[in-house]
Amino acid sequence: DAKTTQPPSMDCAEGRAANLPCNHSTISGNEYVYWYRQIHSQGPQYIIHGLKNNETNEMASLIITEDRKSSTLILPHATLRDTAVYYCIVRGRDDKIIFGKGTRLHILP
Amino acid sequence: SQTIHQWPATLVQPVGSPLSLECTVEGTSNPNLYWYRQAAGRGLQLLFYSVGIGQISSEVPQNLSASRPQDRQFILSSKKLLLSDSGFYLCAWSVLAQGQNTEAFFGQGTRLTVV
Repeated sequence: DAKTTQPPSMDCAEGRAANLPCNHSTISGNEYVYWYRQIHSQGPQYIIHGLKNNETNEMASLIITEDRKSSTLILPHATLRDTAVYYCIVRGRDDKIIFGKGTRLHILP
Repeated sequence: SQTIHQWPATLVQPVGSPLSLECTVEGTSNPNLYWYRQAAGRGLQLLFYSVGIGQISSEVPQNLSASRPQDRQFILSSKKLLLSDSGFYLCAWSVLAQGQNTEAFFGQGTRLTVV
């Protein structure tokens, strides 16, 4: 079973920041938080991951709370091409990658 | 650079026929390999997971089997397809780096329709 909880869907206006929340209250000390997205009819695409510090790359930022029980993926300037299902995954050193139901993000023109 | 090849892209097979989907990875060694299935309108279900040649973990009891005859080759098979085997099949790989599994990279998938 997935170890994360995400809202089933969200809307965001084009050009605005999209903030996608994820709860992972049972995360253990050696488990990382990963984010992937799946655009329709394609394989999932890696976005970002982190352990306890906030992370940023060219695609997004990841904010992890101090207690590590939740995190937020931020797409700073959403475009129509960011419409996808976003998956938050908790994963340890040797763990398989288990996908939950994710959040379907709709970017509105 | 590392690449993953998965074929065919689409497949239509009759009920009761056999299945063989192949996935190969280039540019890395000793990858962890995964097979996923996504039924229409549903999430990604992990089917098989392999950490090395001949080492395969089955996640869901079903009509399918997997084999890893070479380090970078992962094959998904069925002796007799069922209608419920229809779906989007994805292969993925990751490696251990500095004691931690890297992110996974996915192939383009095979869309299987059983008729």
